[in-house]
Amino acid sequence: GAGVSQSPRYKVAKRGQDVALRCDPISGHVSLFWYQQALGQGPEFLTYFQNEAQLDKSGLPSDRFFAERPEGSVSTLKIQRTQQEDSAVYLCASSALYRGHGYTFGSGTRLTVV
Amino acid sequence: RKEVEQDPGPFNVPEGATVAFNCTYSNSASQSFFWYRQDCRKEPKLLMSVYSSGNEDGRFTAQLNRASQYISLLIRDSKLSDSATYLCVVSGGGSYIPTFGRGTSLIVHP
Repeated sequence: GAGVSQSPRYKVAKRGQDVALRCDPISGHVSLFWYQQALGQGPEFLTYFQNEAQLDKSGLPSDRFFAERPEGSVSTLKIQRTQQEDSAVYLCASSALYRGHGYTFGSGTRLTVV
Repeated sequence: RKEVEQDPGPFNVPEGATVAFNCTYSNSASQSFFWYRQDCRKEPKLLMSVYSSGNEDGRFTAQLNRASQYISLLIRDSKLSDSATYLCVVSGGGSYIPTFGRGTSLIVHP
C-alpha cells in the first residue's frame, strides 16, 4: 500500500480483556517497529522486526505484551489482560533497510482501558 | 539520563518570528538524525533528515554538532500552520532502534 495502515483506529477494552492491534507496513519495507505513546510524551520503543525476525523486544513493558510478524509483512501486537496503564496510542512504523530516508508511521491505534 | 532530550516548551511565538529548538543525545556513536513533526492526535511525520554538513529545506534548517552531541532545528518566518510538536529522532551506533525525544511544542500566534 501507499502508507502504513493500522487497525483498529480506536479500541475501548474492559480491564482484563485481551486486544490485538494490527499493522500493515509499506510493501517491501523490511523493518517494522512498534511504539507506545502516552499523552504529552514522545513515542517509546516496544519492539522491532526485520522481516519475520523479532530482533529486539526489550521495550515490551511486561509479558502481557506479545508481537508477531509471521510472514514478514503484517504485524500484530497483542496485549493480554489489559490494565488501565496500557491506555495509550500504539504506533507502528516501517522503513526500508537503508534508514537514511527515515521511518513512516501509521495513524496509530488509540487504546483506552476502562 | 534519557538518551534523547528536548525542552518540551511550549515555545509561543508570533507569526514571522524565527525560532530554534535543540535536542541532545547521549550515544556518541549515533549515525542517523531526523526531525519529525506531530500534529495533535496525529502520527509523527518526517520533516527532514539531518546531515553532518547541515541542511536546509525552505524555511527549515537543521544542523548537527557531533562534538557537543546535539542537533538543532531553525524555523524562519514562522507560520500559524507550523504550530505542532517537533520530535527529535536518533538512531545507529550499534542499534537499529530509532529513539525519540519527548518533543518540543511550538505555538505560533497571530
